[in-house]
Amino acid sequence: DAGVTQSPTHLIKTRGQQVTLRCSPKSGHDTVSWYQQALGQGPQFIFQYYEEEERQRGNFPDRFSGHQFPNYSSELNVNALLLGDSALYLCATQLISRDYGYTFGSGTRLTVV
Amino acid sequence: SQELEQSPQSLIVQEGKNLTINCTSSKTLYGLYWYKQKYGEGLIFLMMLQKGGEEKSHEKITAKLDEKKQQSSLHITASQPSHAGIYLCGADIQGAQKLVFGQGTRLTINP
Repeated sequence: DAGVTQSPTHLIKTRGQQVTLRCSPKSGHDTVSWYQQALGQGPQFIFQYYEEEERQRGNFPDRFSGHQFPNYSSELNVNALLLGDSALYLCATQLISRDYGYTFGSGTRLTVV
Repeated sequence: SQELEQSPQSLIVQEGKNLTINCTSSKTLYGLYWYKQKYGEGLIFLMMLQKGGEEKSHEKITAKLDEKKQQSSLHITASQPSHAGIYLCGADIQGAQKLVFGQGTRLTINP
């Protein structure tokens, strides 16, 4: 049973560029949440997608956007990258009809230079 | 301020010693998760607690959720080098169906 798959694993971008990160959910999961984890901090909730709609959003600017596809996979897009966007981006998936049971991917390490 | 407070932020223990990490919320926890993370890697699920007073164990790690569902502790017995890493508590606060995390506890095991 495949777990959560994230790609790429590492990425280096220049300030001002745009980036797209991808997440394939665990088999049977229909909801995808994205988290940003800065060095030395706990993960911070960015947003959550269910039925191809943004279900809820954390305190992140509009530069952060996302998408969910019919196969439940998801993308996180960040525009106009800032140095402060450098972080580990984690994807967590769950089956929304069950209250709990989050599975995390290994993350994408984004470095903005 | 953090919605979830973890303590201590850093812990160094001698191999073989016991240790405890705490996670406290000012609000009712609807689900409390403990994860372990190696530096720069993803989160490894350890345990989930939902009911007040619930206690779960896996190998040498035990987690408890207090009766009022506002505090959890993670206890490691007879620590080993493999226990080293960052321990994160995450919680669904007030049923929002998203996880809020503490800042993490960095555990170092000295041989």
